[in-house]
Amino acid sequence: EVQLVESGGGLVQPGRSLRLSCAASGFTFDDYAMHWVREVPGKGLEWVSSINWNSNYIEYADSVKGRFTISRDNAKNSLYLQMNTLRPEDTAFYYCAKAATHGLLDRWGQGTLVTVSS
Amino acid sequence: DIVMTQSPDSLAVSLGERATINCKSSQSVLYSSINKNYLAWYQQKPGQPPKLLISWASTREFGVPDRFSGSGSGTDFTLTISSLQAEDVAVYYCHQYYSTPQTFGQGTKLEIK
Repeated sequence: EVQLVESGGGLVQPGRSLRLSCAASGFTFDDYAMHWVREVPGKGLEWVSSINWNSNYIEYADSVKGRFTISRDNAKNSLYLQMNTLRPEDTAFYYCAKAATHGLLDRWGQGTLVTVSS
Repeated sequence: DIVMTQSPDSLAVSLGERATINCKSSQSVLYSSINKNYLAWYQQKPGQPPKLLISWASTREFGVPDRFSGSGSGTDFTLTISSLQAEDVAVYYCHQYYSTPQTFGQGTKLEIK
């Protein structure tokens, strides 16, 4: 069974940093691209970033470009999101998601809440 | 960016009745060379992550009840629940994975009348 477990969320002050992790199991991790998607409570879903299987192809939403860095460690079956210079508008649940063929997000983790507030 | 617009924003349907949710994309998400629409539907219940129901506009995921169906092509899509059950109460999102950034509709909240 595919499992994705996020961790690393919490309360952080504006301008500070946070690193999210996503532990994957139940599938061959290095066969698949992975994504981060966020959900502002009461609002919608926003795609944040993606990384292909060997980290050679990485993309970001304009809203996080230059501040967030996605990475993965295939030996550890783990996905990461380094978030720097956090802003209040980054407050959201952050989900990691497995991509099937052509970018379809077919499995999602339970999410981790990031709150940016002074 | 492709803008996804769902209608309605909320919907109340009686148990056993049909529920229909529409989704319109600002650009076509049909990859014509392979005749596939890069359009998915997700169901999200409170406190849970989104669950993939339908991919490629009309392909039901394994284990999804057959009362759920997807249709449409190009820029106009529909999710239909043929006979609403109590467990179908949720927010439903359409999603395009045709181009980056991937984008989602604003969500449709489905309730029991």
